[in-house]
Amino acid sequence: NAGVTQTPKFQVLKTGQSMTLQCAQDMNHEYMSWYRQDPGMGLRLIHYSVGAGITDQGEVPNGYNVSRSTTEDFPLRLLSAAPSQTSVYFCASLNPPNTEAFFGQGTRLTVV
Amino acid sequence: GIQVEQSPPDLILQEGANSTLRCNFSDSVNNLQWFHQNPWGQLINLFYIPSGTKQNGRLSATTVATERYSLLYISSSQTTDSGVYFCAVPGGGNKLTFGTGTQLKVEL
Repeated sequence: NAGVTQTPKFQVLKTGQSMTLQCAQDMNHEYMSWYRQDPGMGLRLIHYSVGAGITDQGEVPNGYNVSRSTTEDFPLRLLSAAPSQTSVYFCASLNPPNTEAFFGQGTRLTVV
Repeated sequence: GIQVEQSPPDLILQEGANSTLRCNFSDSVNNLQWFHQNPWGQLINLFYIPSGTKQNGRLSATTVATERYSLLYISSSQTTDSGVYFCAVPGGGNKLTFGTGTQLKVEL
């Protein structure tokens, strides 16, 4: 099994550009989530989904959109990138009631 | 929401030394995870441990849920142990709350 796969690994955007970070999991997990990690900080929750068709906001949702059309995929969209969104982004999945989370390898995003 | 604190924030060890990392949390939890973020940024699952003790090679973890803390033990440290160690606990809706991590550097 590949587990949780994120693409791309690295991305540079100009301010105002849009892009989608892809996340896919092959473990049939119901719950998926996106986190961002900034220097010297732990991970903060952006958005999460408890199943296909259901999404909700986390701790830092502003500037990001998500959708969940299938169990496997949970893309994160930046509609108009800002330098404050420069960060490392992680996608994770788990299968309740087991709360062990599995993470993708991360996407390092720089907005200039 | 639940608060998670880790100590120490930074740690430098000589290869072969042992260490203990601590994670305190502010509320009752039904589980806890330890992760290692390696120098390449990957988050690696170490332990999923609601209570008791688990061991995996040179690493072991103990969670005392009633006292709201968990400990990660690293024995005979190696340079490959370098990186950041995070603990995380599930809050409402399976949302994970992370501590700010312990930065470990193991030197020759």
